[in-house]
Amino acid sequence: GAVVSQHPSRVICKSGTSVKIECRSLDFQATTMFWYRQFPKKSLMLMATSNEGSKATYEQGVEKDKFLINHASLTLSTLTVTSAHPEDSSFYICSASGREAEAFFGQGTRLTVV
Amino acid sequence: QKEVEQNSGPLSVPEGAIASLNCTYSDRGSQSFFWYRQYSGKSPELIMSIYSNGDKEDGRFTAQLNKASQYVSLLIRDSQPSDSATYLCAVNGGSNYKLTFGKGTLLTVNP
Repeated sequence: GAVVSQHPSRVICKSGTSVKIECRSLDFQATTMFWYRQFPKKSLMLMATSNEGSKATYEQGVEKDKFLINHASLTLSTLTVTSAHPEDSSFYICSASGREAEAFFGQGTRLTVV
Repeated sequence: QKEVEQNSGPLSVPEGAIASLNCTYSDRGSQSFFWYRQYSGKSPELIMSIYSNGDKEDGRFTAQLNKASQYVSLLIRDSQPSDSATYLCAVNGGSNYKLTFGKGTLLTVNP
């Protein structure tokens, strides 16, 4: 399958700081990228959908000013968690889709806010 | 609202047995169906995709789709302890590739 690289895999930050997570499709052009968060033993929760060159579409209840998404190219999308707080600690996962409907996931980023 | 339902399990099978995972979906217009495997603490991994009615086999995995019944299943033959994971069913119906996920079925294969 296609390769999606997510970086960093693990980050610890202080409360009030911002954290940027990168998601790259390495061997295909991603028409659409998705950002999810997942709490322990819970299902994936879609946060937003991003298409290259346009504004992200956020799911209901997700603060767009807190979770900034940029999809500047067909191979790169970034998620910035601004003014992070301990309740933002979670597992964040991106996925990317190309011309086919299959979605491939990055490795995930475990964010801990202290 | 589009829904994808899975039995949360846990489903426990002995090593070497067939594990059967089931999924139903509410959107009759859905076109693409996927099974993902997620190990604890890891991100989901695509293991099967199916687009038309019938069976699709890949190694020990067989996906089955019945659009009339709005049902998709995954069979794992000769189950191994390494197959122990949560299996997510995902469905896509629109042009924006947005997937709707079930909550997953936890499978445990006992040696």
